[in-house]
Amino acid sequence: DSGVTQTPKHLITATGQRVTLRCSPRSGDLSVYWYQQSLDQGLQFLIQYYNGEERAKGNILERFSAQQFPDLHSELNLSSLELGDSALYFCASSVEGSASHFVGYTFGSGTRLTVV
Amino acid sequence: AQSVTQLDSQVPVFEEAPVELRCNYSSSVSVYLFWYVQYPNQGLQLLLKYLSGSTLVESINGFEAEFNKSQTSFHLRKPSVHISDTAEYFCAVSEGGSNTGKLIFGQGTTLQVKP
Repeated sequence: DSGVTQTPKHLITATGQRVTLRCSPRSGDLSVYWYQQSLDQGLQFLIQYYNGEERAKGNILERFSAQQFPDLHSELNLSSLELGDSALYFCASSVEGSASHFVGYTFGSGTRLTVV
Repeated sequence: AQSVTQLDSQVPVFEEAPVELRCNYSSSVSVYLFWYVQYPNQGLQLLLKYLSGSTLVESINGFEAEFNKSQTSFHLRKPSVHISDTAEYFCAVSEGGSNTGKLIFGQGTTLQVKP
């Protein structure tokens, strides 16, 4: 157990639907990151939150949104789902939010999203 | 923009043989470099990292990587692999001095250790 908890582990939904993925960071970590892993795109950075505020944004579609709550857990919302959104979505956390103090992420085990 | 290229998508090797997984990066600024390992149906785990100082970094399970600034490389090596090293390995780069923890990952290299 890495200490980063992602729920649900698996999700199957239909095109056009909306889903919410949840992440609880490791205790003491202030920063949360979301990544999408697919066979054709590899691991793509989506977004980073640090202590409740957005810190960096990557290749995140407008149909996707995220937030980090006061208790530091984070949710990734995916709407108007398309077949191409099927992927493994990873959450990771770290103590610091900036690379200058970076000691590496702790990853969760991911949520496998299948859009049918 | 930063990018990471892992030159081999798959590396088959026999048990107890040496292995090298190649990683090249592109960046116009100083970087921090990482290797992560992903076992089947699991998340990524940090294997080793280069932040500064000695260009040779080691992990607790026998892997090592050398930062070569002139060749913009960070190749991962192990002198003798085990069956349990079978996994996918990702090289990643982070921009030094950045105020974010964003990582750019390579496409991954699948290490297949055969008995």
